[in-house]
Amino acid sequence: AQSVTQPDIHITVSEGASLELRCNYSYGATPYLFWYVQSPGQGLQLLLKYFSGDTLVQGIKGFEAEFKRSQSSFNLRKPSVHWSDAAEYFCAAPNSGNTPLVFGKGTRLSVIA
Amino acid sequence: DAGVTQSPTHLIKTRGQQVTLRCSPKSGHDTVSWYQQALGQGPQFIFQYYEEEERQRGNFPDRFSGHQFPNYSSELNVNALLLGDSALYLCASGRGPQETQYFGPGTRLLVL
Repeated sequence: AQSVTQPDIHITVSEGASLELRCNYSYGATPYLFWYVQSPGQGLQLLLKYFSGDTLVQGIKGFEAEFKRSQSSFNLRKPSVHWSDAAEYFCAAPNSGNTPLVFGKGTRLSVIA
Repeated sequence: DAGVTQSPTHLIKTRGQQVTLRCSPKSGHDTVSWYQQALGQGPQFIFQYYEEEERQRGNFPDRFSGHQFPNYSSELNVNALLLGDSALYLCASGRGPQETQYFGPGTRLLVL
C-alpha cells in the first residue's frame, strides 16, 4: 500500500525567502503525485500534479515541484514566499490508478515579516 | 463555473445521532469521493461513487454509508455517531474514477 511522508510538521520562513517542502512516497513505478494547499477552515486546492514526462512541474501561485524517482521524492518549491502562502500543504499519491488518494500528514507553513 | 459545493458548512450533533452530508460535484464531473480529515491530520479516504455505485471503500465501518444520485450529487450518511467522528468531511469530484480530484470546502462536524 502507498504511504506518503511529509517529514516537516511546521516550517517558518520570512516573506520573500525561498521555500522547499519535502514529500516522500513509498510505492509506484511511475506514480501520480499531487500537492494540495489548505487555508484555515477551508477545503483543499490543487496546486500541481505530476503524471509523467517532465520531472519539473509548474503549478499555480508560483509553485513548482520536482519528481525524483531515485529519491522517491516530490518536493514543492517556491522562489519567493508571500504572506498569503501561509497555510497547510499536503502531498498525496494514489494507492492504485488515480484514486483513492493517500495523503501525508501535512506541513504547516508560517510566514513572518 | 461552480466548483464542488457541500452542505451544510457546519453541524453539531450528539453521540448516537445520525447525520447526512451533501455534495454537488463540479460541472462535468461524474465521480464523487468522500474523505474524513481529523484535526491536525491529512484527509483519509472513506469511499468513492461512480455511476451511482460505491466503487472503492477505505477502512471505515459500516456506520458510514453513501449514495450517488442520477445528477451525480452525493450524500454521506453516518449512523450512531461517536465523539471520534468529529472531523472535517471533504467531498472531491472528478471526470471519472481515474481522474484528478477537486475538493469542496468541506463540512465540519462536531459530535458532543
